[in-house]
Amino acid sequence: EVQLVESGGGLVQPGESLRLSCAASGFTFRIYWMNWVRQAPGKGLEWVAIISPDGSAKYYVDSVKGRFTISRDNSKNSLYLQMNSLRAEDTATYYCARDDYWGRSPYWGQGSLVTVSS
Amino acid sequence: DIVMTQTPLSLSVTPGQPASISCKSSQSLLHSDGKTFLYWYLQKPGQSPQLLIYEVSSRFSGVPDRFSGSGSGTDFTLKISRVEAEDVGVYYCMQGLSLRTFGGGTKVEIK
Repeated sequence: EVQLVESGGGLVQPGESLRLSCAASGFTFRIYWMNWVRQAPGKGLEWVAIISPDGSAKYYVDSVKGRFTISRDNSKNSLYLQMNSLRAEDTATYYCARDDYWGRSPYWGQGSLVTVSS
Repeated sequence: DIVMTQTPLSLSVTPGQPASISCKSSQSLLHSDGKTFLYWYLQKPGQSPQLLIYEVSSRFSGVPDRFSGSGSGTDFTLKISRVEAEDVGVYYCMQGLSLRTFGGGTKVEIK
């Protein structure tokens, strides 16, 4: 069974950093594109970032470019999102999601809440 | 950047009645390989999103056949032939042609 479990969320102050993790199991992690998608409280879904199976290709939504870094460790079946210079508008539940084909993401974690507030 | 616009914002439907959601993209989602990268997701209350439809009209595994997708180019529609209580939630269209963009969502509730 495919499982994606996010962790690392919490309350931070504006300007601080946080690293989210997504532990994957039940599938061959190293062959799939992986995403981060976020949802601000009471709002819609926003795609944040995607990384290729070998980690060589990374793409971001404009609002996080230069502040967030997506990465993965295929030896640990883990996906990461390093978030720096956090802003109040980054407050959201962050989901990791696995593609099976480009654009098609059938598998999602339960989400990890990040709150940026002073 | 591709902008996705969904209408309506919300729908209140009597069980057993049909429902329809529109999604428009700011540019064609047709790829040179012939595929159209338009997807539909449902987020039920308190849950993570789940994939319903991929590439405009293909139902994902386990999705009931009362859900159908149609459209081409920039105009797409998700139809529920007979709404059931378990269909409540927020429906999102998403484009996958140029990275990813979600529509704003359509909330479906039961009358």
